[in-house]
Amino acid sequence: GQQLNQSPQSMFIQEGEDVSMNCTSSSIFNTWLWYKQDPGEGPVLLIALYKAGELTSNGRLTAQFGITRKDSFLNISASIPSDVGIYFCAGQLGAGNMLTFGGGTRLMVKP
Amino acid sequence: ETGVTQSPTHLIKTRGQQVTLRCSSQSGHNTVSWYQQALGQGPQFIFQYYREEENGRGNFPPRFSGLQFPNYSSELNVNALELDDSALYLCASSCYFSGRAGCEQYFGPGTRLTVT
Repeated sequence: GQQLNQSPQSMFIQEGEDVSMNCTSSSIFNTWLWYKQDPGEGPVLLIALYKAGELTSNGRLTAQFGITRKDSFLNISASIPSDVGIYFCAGQLGAGNMLTFGGGTRLMVKP
Repeated sequence: ETGVTQSPTHLIKTRGQQVTLRCSSQSGHNTVSWYQQALGQGPQFIFQYYREEENGRGNFPPRFSGLQFPNYSSELNVNALELDDSALYLCASSCYFSGRAGCEQYFGPGTRLTVT
């Protein structure tokens, strides 16, 4: 099935470093969401974006909805060990519609 | 932690058998979506239920079917299980007319299905 292109696939960083990941699509979305999934659990919603160009923060996390509506970025500042996990972007065309997910970015943090 | 619950947490079935997975939605939500997540991949949309009817379906065969009940809980049924059906099955509840905070899709912990 269709998936968004998410990069990088994995990152191994030092605690305290900043992290950036992005997601691109060949088609537009009207909502972008970022989720984090820990092993054996369901994805947890981190940030939702509703307007092109929107920049939204949630603590140390900042996400942006690309102007073209075909991409989104997630930044994590001053990473800590509990940031370890898999981060997924998801695009949604409209209210009530399905989510299309990226392949995930696996983040590993070295203390 | 979301208010979405799923049962069972783990299940082992034999090829050809049938399985039913259950999901209870979060309070205030009226829509349930089901996703299949293979190991190392992002979730793939199976279908969505709103007002007790299927409202959108992904690229899954008819042996994947579902129900939604008046209390908005839902079931996913899979007939004639195949080895490739082994995956984590996730349900997500939401408001149908989303686009506002609190109405996005919130996921349950998933059911891990193994088909042998």
